[in-house]
Amino acid sequence: DAKTTQPPSMDCAEGRAANLPCNHSTISGNEYVYWYRQIHSQGPQYIIHGLKNNETNEMASLIITEDRKSSTLILPHATLRDTAVYYCIVELSGGYQKVTFGTGTKLQVIP
Amino acid sequence: DTGVSQDPRHKITKRGQNVTFRCDPISEHNRLYWYRQTLGQGPEFLTYFQNEAQLEKSRLLSDRFSAERPKGSFSTLEIQRTEQGDSAMYLCASQLGGAASYEQYFGPGTRLTVT
Repeated sequence: DAKTTQPPSMDCAEGRAANLPCNHSTISGNEYVYWYRQIHSQGPQYIIHGLKNNETNEMASLIITEDRKSSTLILPHATLRDTAVYYCIVELSGGYQKVTFGTGTKLQVIP
Repeated sequence: DTGVSQDPRHKITKRGQNVTFRCDPISEHNRLYWYRQTLGQGPEFLTYFQNEAQLEKSRLLSDRFSAERPKGSFSTLEIQRTEQGDSAMYLCASQLGGAASYEQYFGPGTRLTVT
């Protein structure tokens, strides 16, 4: 079973920030939060990951609450190409990762 | 392009036939994963290799499924006596191993249709 809970779908206007929430209330101290996305008919694509500090890269920002029980992925200026299913995943650091993807959030960016 | 390639991209086969898929990971990645994805669902873990050793198999991987990674480079996934329920996207991912936490890089997948 997935360790995370995400809304099944969200809409966002093109050019606006897309804020995708994720609940992971049972996360343990050595588990990271990962975000991947899957554009239709393609393999999943890594976006960002973090442990407890907020993280930013060229694609997105990841905000993790202080208790680490939830996080938000922020796409600062959504484009039509960001339309995809976004998966929030919790996994241990190091070791191998038997990733459980769940069903994710279908983000539709609207022109 | 993530650097992970899969072949073929699409495969249509008749029920009862055997099929084999290939995955070429990023060359320096010692970890390789196979996943299966059905319509409307997220990818589900099938099996994992550390170098050439297959270290874990999901219960989803029935006796008709076998995976290999000879020499710790490319990997193959074979399905024998295919069934209609095997129709799915089969995804391969590679990962750099180590104590740090690294992301997985996914290939484009092989879409299998069993008629």
